[in-house]
Amino acid sequence: AQSVTQLGSHVSVSEGALVLLRCNYSSSVPPYLFWYVQYPNQGLQLLLKYTSAATLVKGINGFEAEFKKSETSFHLTKPSAHMSDAAEYFCAVSDWSGKSTFGDGTTLTVKP
Amino acid sequence: EPEVTQTPSHQVTQMGQEVILRCVPISNHLYFYWYRQILGQKVEFLVSFYNNEISEKSEIFDDQFSVERPDGSNFTLKIRSTKLEDSAMYFCASSYWTGADTQYFGPGTRLTVL
Repeated sequence: AQSVTQLGSHVSVSEGALVLLRCNYSSSVPPYLFWYVQYPNQGLQLLLKYTSAATLVKGINGFEAEFKKSETSFHLTKPSAHMSDAAEYFCAVSDWSGKSTFGDGTTLTVKP
Repeated sequence: EPEVTQTPSHQVTQMGQEVILRCVPISNHLYFYWYRQILGQKVEFLVSFYNNEISEKSEIFDDQFSVERPDGSNFTLKIRSTKLEDSAMYFCASSYWTGADTQYFGPGTRLTVL
């Protein structure tokens, strides 16, 4: 069985500050890991994914994530937050079948 | 850029009624999924579909739910007798392969059961 834990349901940062959203996963097989962003009243947009290639994955909008097998983590970072980054962020793990298991989500607030 | 579309955007129904949620996946994709998100909660997998068959389904996907690909473009989710707890946002997604392949999500249908 696979699962995802996102630490911190709400994260607040100042504009220009580092964004760090935490995700830990549990999977019995090598995982495929994803980060999605959801803006209000919209669907899920893929930010980036890890598929067993490079452990440091770069995504859209300046986000990146590092896969650390020893820590079973896949934390999302962005060096400098923009107001437009305010949204809900979901970490997800997928198995070979494509079934994705999502974390509870983290709401990112960016203060001016 | 191709995208997944869903209709309607919002559906209101009475408890016990049947609803059909419609999705048009990206045209060359082979795998199709339904997820739901109850307000304020996480996104939950319902079912995956490939080659006109259900590949996998969750415990949520009981006998009240069914999926169908009635033609070459649409992918539908039917709830036979809606319950209050079926109120949620329902997302359709599609991908070309499974596993590592990116799933493209539609904008969702908000289902409200009264």
